[in-house]
Amino acid sequence: GEDVEQSLFLSVREGDSSVINCTYTDSSSTYLYWYKQEPGAGLQLLTYIFSNMDMKQDQRLTVLLNKKDKHLSLRIADTQTGDSAIYFCAESIGDYKLSFGAGTTVTVRA
Amino acid sequence: ETGVTQTPRHLVMGMTNKKSLKCEQHLGHNAMYWYKQSAKKPLELMFVYNFKEQTENNSVPSRFSPECPNSSHLFLHLHTLQPEDSALYLCASSQREGAATNEKLFFGSGTQLSVL
Repeated sequence: GEDVEQSLFLSVREGDSSVINCTYTDSSSTYLYWYKQEPGAGLQLLTYIFSNMDMKQDQRLTVLLNKKDKHLSLRIADTQTGDSAIYFCAESIGDYKLSFGAGTTVTVRA
Repeated sequence: ETGVTQTPRHLVMGMTNKKSLKCEQHLGHNAMYWYKQSAKKPLELMFVYNFKEQTENNSVPSRFSPECPNSSHLFLHLHTLQPEDSALYLCASSQREGAATNEKLFFGSGTQLSVL
């Protein structure tokens, strides 16, 4: 199957860390992605990880990959109000296609 | 000019209308896509064009008809839609370099479609 699952909502206090979790099904996925969608906008690639890595850090973002459990997470350190958005997990499913989850709406409260 | 531009931003149509969505990419990419985004559902891939050739039709009803006249422009022609077709329609593009590698998609802002 090509199902990507993620929780729909996350509320976090400003300054705290956010952790968004995702599970996927295609064990042959070469790359896994996190996209961000701000209100009224399309999706924007936030970061990605190659399947032979288990961690990738990019400034405030940390991606963790557990291939055995097919689990991907995105940690945002020092969450700011500008981080309020919908975050989509996606896996490459071959032949230039991506399978996306339903998105996690992150709300940052003061 | 932003990378991927979609028009119109909003569209309201009746079930008997015919309308078209337009997408233009200014990134020099060779692949373009239509996705459907419904609330609380995974993004649905509808169509894929690679070098202007349609390479994917993901079991989309015939009331949706794509057209790709060149590698920079993509259209989605709509006719006799149903209320359940109301959604955000996103266009995306990417650059394919041969063997499938890192598929980075660049999205437009979408057309919010309401079918009455």
